[in-house]
Parts: sequence; structure tokens; C-alpha cells
Amino acid sequence: ETGVTQTPRHLVMGMTNKKSLKCEQHLGHNAMYWYKQSAKKPLELMFVYNFKEQTENNSVPSRFSPECPNSSHLFLHLHTLQPEDSALYLCASSPLAGVNNEQFFGPGTRLTVL
Amino acid sequence: AQKITQTQPGMFVQEKEAVTLDCTYDTSDQSYGLFWYKQPSSGEMIFLIYQGSYDEQNATEGRYSLNFQKARKSANLVISASQLGDSAMYFCAMREPYSSASKIIFGSGTRLSIRP
Repeated sequence: ETGVTQTPRHLVMGMTNKKSLKCEQHLGHNAMYWYKQSAKKPLELMFVYNFKEQTENNSVPSRFSPECPNSSHLFLHLHTLQPEDSALYLCASSPLAGVNNEQFFGPGTRLTVL
Repeated sequence: AQKITQTQPGMFVQEKEAVTLDCTYDTSDQSYGLFWYKQPSSGEMIFLIYQGSYDEQNATEGRYSLNFQKARKSANLVISASQLGDSAMYFCAMREPYSSASKIIFGSGTRLSIRP
């Protein structure tokens, strides 16, 4: 595997379910991110992890719980979600800090909450 | 607060024509980075081109070039000789400088459709 991978690619869940999204990067980067992309809205940054430490929580509801066990893996644990949480969830990674480092994105998980 | 504005929600362009996608930004910082990403219908965000605020020359990557006008705070993407595969959403983005981990702000995007 190369680049940034995300599983599953598609997920349908009920409001009472608990599920997890997984992201893995094979680029040797130290920073990882979760973004939410809803229809007709700009991409929203949710969480930032830097060397496994969370450095940014963009006022995300507690029903979204991130976990970063190491610099290569990032999880997003989901529980008691709402229909408005349906969106494309994108994971990204980048080398540590520095203005000229682009972020590399995974293919995303398209989440539907019923 | 930093902000990215893309005023063209959608554009139609004839194949082989050049196209310019507009992007303006707002920041009080002197050091920042500007990016363009392409998002095909598959969903993956693909990095296209980068421009640093201190770069004196406009960035170019193959058919992509960035028309950087610092005084106007604009960073328009120019695609030369458009192809059918260029049909996608295009996002302009800006990185906050000196952040502990590369936080990027995205614009609302422009949907580009190439006509054969």
C-alpha cells in the first residue's frame, strides 16, 4: 500500500450504532488530520494530531472520538451520530510543520447516518 | 481570521481551452502557503500546486500554473489546454504559518466541467 488509505470506503449506520473509521499513511509523516466534507460546505478540519498528540480539536461534538496510537494510524470512533453527520470523511497526513508542506489525502469514507 | 474565497461555484469550458479558477484569500500574516487541490468524483483530494508567500515567481506544474498576485491577495489557478479528465471540484487552500501541525483552510470549491 502506498500513500494514505482509508477504510471502509462506504459506511451506513444507524443513530444508535458504534463504528470506527480507520486511516493509515505509508509516507513517514508525523502529522495526521480528519476532515469532514458535507454537501455544499467547505472542507472542515476536525482534528489534528502531531507526533500522536492531539493539537487541534475544531469544536467537534463528543460523539466523534479520535484516536492516534502511532504516527501512521488514525481512527475516528463514532457513536450515537445524527443524520446531519452524513458526509465524506477525509484523512490526510503531512510532514511536520513548515509552510510548504502539502497534505496528502486518502480517498475518504462516505458515511450515511440513518 | 484567515479566509479563502472561491467565487465561481461552477464553470463549463470547452476541451483544449485554457481555464482560470479564481481564489482570493485574507490573512494578516506575512508568511503563508497557498495550495490548489483537485477532487474527482471518486472523492480523493489530489494536490496540484503550491505557492509560498515569499516566492517571487509563479508556481508551475505541468499544465497547471498559479497566478499569484500578492498585493491583491489572489492565487488563481490556470489550467492550459484543458482535458476531459480535468472535470472535477477544485479547492484553493491556505496554510496557517508557524502552526504546530500544518493547519490548512479550504475554500468552498469550484466545479469545473470540460465539454468535448
